[in-house]
Amino acid sequence: AQKVTQAQTEISVVEKEDVTLDCVYETRDTTYYLFWYKQPPSGELVFLIRRNSFDEQNEISGRYSWNFQKSTSSFNFTITASQVVDSAVYFCALSEGRSGGYNKLIFGAGTRLAVHP
Amino acid sequence: DGGITQSPKYLFRKEGQNVTLSCEQNLNHDAMYWYRQDPGQGLRLIYYSQIVNDFQKGDIAEGYSVSREKKESFPLTVTSAQKNPTAFYLCASSITGGAGNEQFFGPGTRLTVL
Repeated sequence: AQKVTQAQTEISVVEKEDVTLDCVYETRDTTYYLFWYKQPPSGELVFLIRRNSFDEQNEISGRYSWNFQKSTSSFNFTITASQVVDSAVYFCALSEGRSGGYNKLIFGAGTRLAVHP
Repeated sequence: DGGITQSPKYLFRKEGQNVTLSCEQNLNHDAMYWYRQDPGQGLRLIYYSQIVNDFQKGDIAEGYSVSREKKESFPLTVTSAQKNPTAFYLCASSITGGAGNEQFFGPGTRLTVL
């Protein structure tokens, strides 16, 4: 069965600290996609990144970086030098690539990040 | 600007009433989705539509209904049969319904049953 686990319910850091949000997934498919979304207090989900199962290269985008490790079924997200504007709920999600399947996103429960000045 | 709009932002309903949540997109996307979010939980799929005039039940479709008469519109009706409708409802769309396509989300509607 497919599942996404975000074990950290809430994280609190002080501005400029680095913080890593963990994501562990379960799937039997060999083709799948992983996503991270940000949900600020306004409520709208904002897409951050998509990774397919054949691309294990880490990615960096400004202060954000992602570490994808198939060996441990993890897709962790690191924010470097956190800022107050990073305060939000972050969701990790999985989409399986079955032939003929639809684009169903399976979400983790989310991690609430609070960055304090 | 291209995007997804949802209305209203806040909705209050008396028990026993049906209510309809609006979702419109001008991204020319084929696929649209409705999710429900409860406090401290991830999003759960209610219904999805891969193309006009077609839609399928998601994981928690009981007590909900949808229609997809136009490509840009995918309204959700919360019926009186839905036992616990108070939640945050999010609409999304993707260019097609194929796996791996990024889903774009609307701003959400917060429904409260009085």
